[in-house]
Amino acid sequence: DIQMTQSPSSLSASVGDRVTITCRASRGFSNFLAWYQQKPGKAPNLLIYAASTLQSGVPSRFSGSGSGTDFTLTISSLQPEDVATYYCQKYDSAPYTFGQGTKLEIK
Amino acid sequence: QVQLVQSGAEVRKPGASVKLSCKASGYNFINYAIHWVRQAPGQGLEWMGWISPDIGTTRYSQKFLGRLTFTRDSSANTAYMQLNSLISEDTAVYSCARGSDSAFDSWGQGTLVTVSS
Repeated sequence: DIQMTQSPSSLSASVGDRVTITCRASRGFSNFLAWYQQKPGKAPNLLIYAASTLQSGVPSRFSGSGSGTDFTLTISSLQPEDVATYYCQKYDSAPYTFGQGTKLEIK
Repeated sequence: QVQLVQSGAEVRKPGASVKLSCKASGYNFINYAIHWVRQAPGQGLEWMGWISPDIGTTRYSQKFLGRLTFTRDSSANTAYMQLNSLISEDTAVYSCARGSDSAFDSWGQGTLVTVSS
């Protein structure tokens, strides 16, 4: 099975900063890669699918890129409401593995 | 709008079983897979498997083979998850999610299952 590894595991940044989270797969696969945002006590919320397609209603400061084994989620200008844990996920075929998560905080 | 509404919190003793429900509305239930994901306290997301509501095809994570069963009632737009032989490590929030070509685009609110003697 393909393993998904995110880095960093946690991150502290200032409002307005550009933030980048990386997701690496143990071997390459098609671009069925998604990013989710999860706030405490809430269900995950889909941000990006197909590696770079922004889900409807998601602010344009979020973007995704990458292919093969290396994928990136970027927040162009961090806002206070972006405090959350972010997960990547491969969804091309079972098992639909998630990364371990990246906890994002405000400095 | 698309909505997945899950059943309420459950408490079980070790060795028992639990069956959770996930009722869909706002879309054609049989056209999208329903996935189940769990999250232990303070931990990450763990994919458990999926069911295809049209013909009932299922796929389970190897981790749960033999004690996890998905079913559905298409007439009630509802999917079910049953987990048997519960242990304390099964204490988690269990969520259903709609699966599509755009990943898991809608999620239920989650159901807390507590396994404790």
